[in-house]
This record gives sequence, structure tokens and C-alpha cells, in this order.
Amino acid sequence: QQQVKQSPQSLIVQKGGISIINCAYENTAFDYFPWYQQFPGKGPALLIAIRPDVSEKKEGRFTISFNKSAKQFSLHIMDSQPGDSATYFCAARVLSGTYKYIFGTGTRLKVLA
Amino acid sequence: DVKVTQSSRYLVKRTGEKVFLECVQDMDHENMFWYRQDPGLGLRLIYFSYDVKMKEKGDIPEGYSVSREKKERFSLILESASTNQTSMYLCASSSPTGYTFGSGTRLTVV
Repeated sequence: QQQVKQSPQSLIVQKGGISIINCAYENTAFDYFPWYQQFPGKGPALLIAIRPDVSEKKEGRFTISFNKSAKQFSLHIMDSQPGDSATYFCAARVLSGTYKYIFGTGTRLKVLA
Repeated sequence: DVKVTQSSRYLVKRTGEKVFLECVQDMDHENMFWYRQDPGLGLRLIYFSYDVKMKEKGDIPEGYSVSREKKERFSLILESASTNQTSMYLCASSSPTGYTFGSGTRLTVV
């Protein structure tokens, strides 16, 4: 069964702290792992993504860590800011040629000022 | 800037009505998707289309159908709306690097 499990469901972090969101998958037929950020009233937007042949990718304050053997990947937000408060979804792309993705259940992040 | 446009932000419909949700993309993408988003359940795939007039069921297709007569337009149809279809509906089109989502349609069925 194709599933992506995401935790925690919600997260509260102080300004300047590190936010960490974790995802795990079981099916190996995934070839691309993006993270999406969603603000209230908006659709999710692509934030950062990684391929399974890479263990880490960093873009500004956002880093994805990928552990292929453990089938886990995580999003780290360094120096978290109140403007980062949003819902974050991890996703995995199915190897099918149709660019179909399976999504995690989402993490609601609140960064306190 | 690339765009996926959903025709309605908010809709209120009565039980038993036939409901049409429209989505248009301007990126010439072949693949388009309809998801519903519910708290604690994340994004669940209803239907997707990989070409004009082609469609495939997603994980929760019951009670829904779709239409794709033109490449840029993908419509979701609720044949007979029910209260358990009250949700946020998100349309997306995809490229090799990921989805572009619309802003969503929040549908309330009363």
C-alpha cells in the first residue's frame, strides 16, 4: 500500500528555534520527495524537494534530510520565524510517469513571536 | 507566473444538487489532479487525468466524476451532493518538479 506517514500533527516553536517535521514511507516505488507549504486560504506551494540519491538538500533556512535505508525524510526549518507559521505537507512521487504524488497528513506549525 | 485557477473560492450547495467545480491551468501540462483536503486526513486524491478525455480514479472516487474536454480545463462533478462531501477541494497540474495548486474551493453541502 502506498502511504506516507507524517508527524507531528501540530508543532509550536519559539521564534529563532528549529522546527522539525518527519515523514516515513513504506513503498519503495517513489522517486522524488517534495515538501509543500500552505498558508490559510491558499493552495499548497512547493517549498523544497529532494531525490533519493541525495542525503541532504538545503535552501536558505529550509533543509531536507533523507535516509533511504530507513525510508524516512524530514524537513528542518532553522531560525524559525512567525511568517513560517503554516501547514506543511510531505509528499512522495509515484514511479508511474503521470507525476502522481502521495501526501502526508500535514503538520500545522505555529511559530511564536 | 504560472497559474492554476479554480473558478469559485466558496460554494454552498444543497443535498442532492449536481455540483461542478472548474479548474483551468495555463502551463500546457498534461497531468491534472483533483484532491480534497480534510483536517487530519491531509490531501486525498479523487481523480486525475493524464491527457484530454483520459481519466483515472484516485483513492476516493465514489460520488465524483470528472471531465477533461480540453487540455487546460479539468472539471470535478459531484453527481448528487451529500453532506459528507463538505470539504476543501484542490486542483493541481503537474510538471517533473512538482504540483502547482489552485487556491482551492471550499464547498459546504447543507
